[in-house]
Amino acid sequence: NAGVTQTPKFQVLKTGQSMTLQCAQDMNHNSMYWYRQDPGMGLRLIYYSASEGTTDKGEVPNGYNVSRLNKREFSLRLESAAPSQTSVYFCASSEFPGGTEAFFGQGTRLTVV
Amino acid sequence: GENVEQHPSTLSVQEGDSAVIKCTYSDSASNYFPWYKQELGKRPQLIIDIRSNVGEKKDQRIAVTLNKTAKHFSLHITETQPEDSAVYFCAASLDVYSSASKIIFGSGTRLSIRP
Repeated sequence: NAGVTQTPKFQVLKTGQSMTLQCAQDMNHNSMYWYRQDPGMGLRLIYYSASEGTTDKGEVPNGYNVSRLNKREFSLRLESAAPSQTSVYFCASSEFPGGTEAFFGQGTRLTVV
Repeated sequence: GENVEQHPSTLSVQEGDSAVIKCTYSDSASNYFPWYKQELGKRPQLIIDIRSNVGEKKDQRIAVTLNKTAKHFSLHITETQPEDSAVYFCAASLDVYSSASKIIFGSGTRLSIRP
């Protein structure tokens, strides 16, 4: 039972490049989330998907897009990377939207130069 | 939308002493308040949570208290040990039956236990 799996674990991008972060969960959870973690800023919600077929903006959605591909997978896309997007990105899932434990992936450390 | 503030940002306590971390939230509709622990280089993991119909919850050396009137909740760790050193995050969300619910985190507290 892998839980929440993110790929890649590390990535270096040049300013203006695009990339997609992948996330998959095998716990049959309905809800999935993308957070970014910056020093002193905690975990800030980028986008979330309360259930398959729905996505909503979080606290810091600018510069990102998401796709809930199916119940298992939730991807995060950076169309034109900027240095301000250098961060550690965490995907998480929970059985229901809010109110239940969120399980996190191992994180993706992204550096934009 | 919901805003969660967490204090202090760093906390250093002597091993064996107690540690207290405090959070306030803005949305009076929030009624689920989890706490997560993140060890260095690891992913955040749930350590305890509390719902609005309960004022206090304990699990061995950790406890959480909730004051809905004042919109604040706190994490208490007693008899601290070296393995308690980590970053702790509080969070708030609506109840499980709301499709509009999302989990909003505080900015984190880096707890260091001095030997």
